[in-house]
Amino acid sequence: EVLLVESGGGLVQPGGSLRLSCEASGFYFSGHWMHWVRQVPGKGLAWLTRINEGGGGSSYADSVQGRFFVSRDNAKNKLYLEMNSLRADDTAVYYCARDSHHSGMDVWGTGTTVTVSS
Amino acid sequence: DIQMTQSPSSLSASVGDRVTITCRASQSISRYLNWYQQKPGKAPKLLIYGASTLQSGVPSRFTGSGSGTDFTLTISSLQSEDLATYYCQQSDSLPLTFGPGTTVDLK
Repeated sequence: EVLLVESGGGLVQPGGSLRLSCEASGFYFSGHWMHWVRQVPGKGLAWLTRINEGGGGSSYADSVQGRFFVSRDNAKNKLYLEMNSLRADDTAVYYCARDSHHSGMDVWGTGTTVTVSS
Repeated sequence: DIQMTQSPSSLSASVGDRVTITCRASQSISRYLNWYQQKPGKAPKLLIYGASTLQSGVPSRFTGSGSGTDFTLTISSLQSEDLATYYCQQSDSLPLTFGPGTTVDLK
């Protein structure tokens, strides 16, 4: 079964840091670009970042550029999102998603919740 | 950035109704348009990619059309399990952007 499972969410104070993980199984992880997408409760979806198959290339939304950093460990089938200088408006459910060779995001994790509050 | 808009923002329909959702891009995105379905408390699910290609396993009552700036998602005969929020997303250029969503509920 093709699965993505996020972890690492939780409560963090403004200005703090958090690292999310996304573990992949059931498919050739190294063969896919991967994305992080977030959703503020009750609101829409917002793309954050993507990373290429090898991990050497990534892009970011302006809202997280310079604060968030995406990486991957293909040997461990894991994707990461390092989040720094967190703000209240970063509070959201964070999803990792598999890129279907530039035909949409075809596999999504169940999400992990990040709450930024003092 | 390419802005995506959707209309309507919500709609109420009956089982068996034909439902149409429109998505518009702020500039031409060719056919780089994907549709997702999201049920409450669940992750989004890819329905259609490349404007009109049905993702594997998605019922054929879902169809997508359009190119350039104007796109449509149609549910030919609404089923109760289709009650959800639908998002369009452009994959033409970075940053990838989603529409604000259209919520479909039962009349």
